[in-house]
Amino acid sequence: EPEVTQTPSHQVTQMGQEVILRCVPISNHLYFYWYRQILGQKVEFLVSFYNNEISEKSEIFDDQFSVERPDGSNFTLKIRSTKLEDSAMYFCASSDTRDGRGHAETQYFGPGTRLLVL
Amino acid sequence: LAKTTQPISMDSYEGQEVNITCSHNNIATNDYITWYQQFPSQGPRFIIQGYKTKVTNEVASLFIPADRKSSTLSLPRVSLSDTAVYYCLVAHTGGGNKLTFGTGTQLKVEL
Repeated sequence: EPEVTQTPSHQVTQMGQEVILRCVPISNHLYFYWYRQILGQKVEFLVSFYNNEISEKSEIFDDQFSVERPDGSNFTLKIRSTKLEDSAMYFCASSDTRDGRGHAETQYFGPGTRLLVL
Repeated sequence: LAKTTQPISMDSYEGQEVNITCSHNNIATNDYITWYQQFPSQGPRFIIQGYKTKVTNEVASLFIPADRKSSTLSLPRVSLSDTAVYYCLVAHTGGGNKLTFGTGTQLKVEL
């Protein structure tokens, strides 16, 4: 079964450093997402991406964050200058609604990248 | 999107049927009810989705009454490996829509 993959699985960085989290969505999916989950808290939406541009972003997704689809397979989340409060599990997800059955999409989540900012 | 309310936690024993009820009083006409499962340190995983009446797959059943203001996820004969957080979400038809997660229901299955 196709799955979303993410690298690295763990990342430790110093406050103020830039980090890039990588994701390979399911092939042929059209919509891509980033979510995060701070330890013990809810899964929070960050951003959605479609047709090479951001579709929607949350208040969390400020100017320190950016997303990119540099080629036909990867989808990245960059945090330019990390803060302590960016420590969280970051999940990439992808979805595809081209089957035309008129249902709400199923989003497939990756295993996550655990980011620790010191 | 309609807000969902579900119990914070539930306990069960292996082999029992578990029913988790979720309320979504303000659900809209074009909303579907979707359930996800999350194990510790893993991404959420889709379980089942429905619009009305009953939906069944190899993992669970979803019961939705006619007014659609609530839904019940039914897990038949749970095992220890079903210990996880279960999220009830309301999602719009179509693609590209963010998922709004609540706190979910922590299900603990014991021997």
